[in-house]
Amino acid sequence: AQSVTQPDARVTVSEGASLQLRCKYSYSATPYLFWYVQYPRQGLQLLLKYYSGDPVVQGVNSFEAEFSKSNSSFHLQKASVHWSDSAVYFCALSNLYNQGKLIFGQGTKLSIKP
Amino acid sequence: GALVYQYPRRTICKSGTSMRMECQAVGFQATSVAWYRQSPQKTFELIALSTVNSAIKYEQNFTQEKFPISHPNLSFSSMTVLNAYLEDRGLYLCGARPGPYAEQFFGPGTRLTVL
Repeated sequence: AQSVTQPDARVTVSEGASLQLRCKYSYSATPYLFWYVQYPRQGLQLLLKYYSGDPVVQGVNSFEAEFSKSNSSFHLQKASVHWSDSAVYFCALSNLYNQGKLIFGQGTKLSIKP
Repeated sequence: GALVYQYPRRTICKSGTSMRMECQAVGFQATSVAWYRQSPQKTFELIALSTVNSAIKYEQNFTQEKFPISHPNLSFSSMTVLNAYLEDRGLYLCGARPGPYAEQFFGPGTRLTVL
């Protein structure tokens, strides 16, 4: 069975500080991993994705994530957050044989302190 | 660029009535369309996945009798919520993909309120 866990429901950081949002997955084969962001009253926007190759992937707005097979993780990072990064972030998983089906984590609500 | 539109953006229906929502892909051919629901304070659940030339596959807890889906061509899909009740409220997202190894593009969603 496949699953995604985002252990932190809420994260608060100061503007300009660094950020890490955690994501752990469970899947026996090679996963396809994604981070999406949901701004208030909007749908989902893709931040970045990992299919294979370099475990560190770069995304939009200076976000990056690192895939770790040994830790079954795909944590999202940003060196310096901006107030506009306040949103809910979702980690998601699919696989080669069922690419159209995304399994989402519960989401992490990010708040930025001025 | 690849865009996905959804109509309507918001809708309100009375308990026990039905509501149809639409999804349109622009700038690419949507060979597969996935419908998701985000219930209040929850994450996104897949309702069903529709792939061209294949049967529509519904997830556990979702049925064709409750959520009939149409995917007549490579740019359009619709889903109806039949006999809607309070537990059906939420944000319904359409995610469309142009093919294998391609990312899923999401529309802004249709927010359903049931009175």
